[in-house]
Amino acid sequence: DAKTTQPPSMDCAEGRAANLPCNHSTISGNEYVYWYRQIHSQGPQYIIHGLKNNETNEMASLIITEDRKSSTLILPHATLRDTAVYYCIVRVDTSGSRLTFGEGTQLTVNP
Amino acid sequence: NAGVMQNPRHLVRRRGQEARLRCSPMKGHSHVYWYRQLPEEGLKFMVYLQKENIIDESGMPKERFSAEFPKEGPSILRIQQVVRGDSAAYFCASSPWTSGGAYEQYFGPGTRLTVT
Repeated sequence: DAKTTQPPSMDCAEGRAANLPCNHSTISGNEYVYWYRQIHSQGPQYIIHGLKNNETNEMASLIITEDRKSSTLILPHATLRDTAVYYCIVRVDTSGSRLTFGEGTQLTVNP
Repeated sequence: NAGVMQNPRHLVRRRGQEARLRCSPMKGHSHVYWYRQLPEEGLKFMVYLQKENIIDESGMPKERFSAEFPKEGPSILRIQQVVRGDSAAYFCASSPWTSGGAYEQYFGPGTRLTVT
């Protein structure tokens, strides 16, 4: 699976958009970009994933650049409960493909 | 629709005892994964199972650790003769089987193992 690079930490004001970047310059054509988060030692929570088109769900939006070498996770209106470690993971989309977690980004939402 | 269930949530064992961790996947999910998170470290893949089959155990320590996912019942991660270094949070995840498309994994709340 392709390696990803994320900033170790970010801050965001409550109610503002949180934009979390991820670089995956060695991504292959059949690899998806997944985002998970882990809130204070709870089980990781799936957020969103995409291949090359931008995606949106009730939790977040995922913007993938045209060359697919980077992406941004957007939490449109961050709340205190969004404080967590966010992981960007690139993996081949096949059954049984493991998730390889890196260091992630510690997002702190401030009141 | 209940999520992934793990029990016990907390488990304390003395050195040399056995630890059994259970995972019930989400309804309709036939793939189970186990991950371990050591204190102050990231999540590491351990093993991937389908019903009655171990598909990928490349992340499992070579000794004392085993996993199963029987035809009936939960998946079990078994650690024999536990040592202090086994103290960690163990997470189970499940995903559905489909003939194509993405396979997001849904995680349980974890079992926190403490070896004294």
